[in-house]
Amino acid sequence: RKEVEQDPGPFNVPEGATVAFNCTYSNSASQSFFWYRQDCRKEPKLLMSVYSSGNEDGRFTAQLNRASQYISLLIRDSKLSDSATYLCVVNPTGGYQKVTFGTGTKLQVIP
Amino acid sequence: NAGVTQTPKFQVLKTGQSMTLQCAQDMNHEYMSWYRQDPGMGLRLIHYSVGAGITDQGEVPNGYNVSRSTTEDFPLRLLSAAPSQTSVYFCASQGPAGVPGELFFGEGSRLTVL
Repeated sequence: RKEVEQDPGPFNVPEGATVAFNCTYSNSASQSFFWYRQDCRKEPKLLMSVYSSGNEDGRFTAQLNRASQYISLLIRDSKLSDSATYLCVVNPTGGYQKVTFGTGTKLQVIP
Repeated sequence: NAGVTQTPKFQVLKTGQSMTLQCAQDMNHEYMSWYRQDPGMGLRLIHYSVGAGITDQGEVPNGYNVSRSTTEDFPLRLLSAAPSQTSVYFCASQGPAGVPGELFFGEGSRLTVL
């Protein structure tokens, strides 16, 4: 089993739709979780951290389910500019560690 | 702010040639790392460094060397390029300040080995 697994998609959704991605991880001791966004042929950039209690940033909501070992990202009212690949990132112990990236889920928002 | 700067952005090599990908950061970050990104494989860690003079291997270190003589610079050397090293390479840094765990990436170096 891969350390971090994501559905590669693509997820094709109309503007204004709500879309959700899940990411599962295998190391139950993992402590830090993140979602990164990567535009086509660009570098990844941090979208948001994922906290145990769940957290929201505008139209984006991230949640963590430790019991089932997955994190999720919900995007409401999708915009064309949300089209990108979303990378799930797991940090086993925090600090300067070898974080593990998922392969990414591609989102295409359609007019 | 420059952040993380990688050069070159594009490079074509012939099998057997050597080259160095340069990476510099101006954020005084202790942690720097090199990843390669291939279709369907995600980002894979090649080498990383937790400070000047300290380096360690990541998931896919074979064929690559690194050194960290200063806090700012972390070059990646391809010793004898092979077609399997055709990839996009990203340098990243991470520091104690800011969002815990946030990695700051360079713009990437696209390498083709013929």
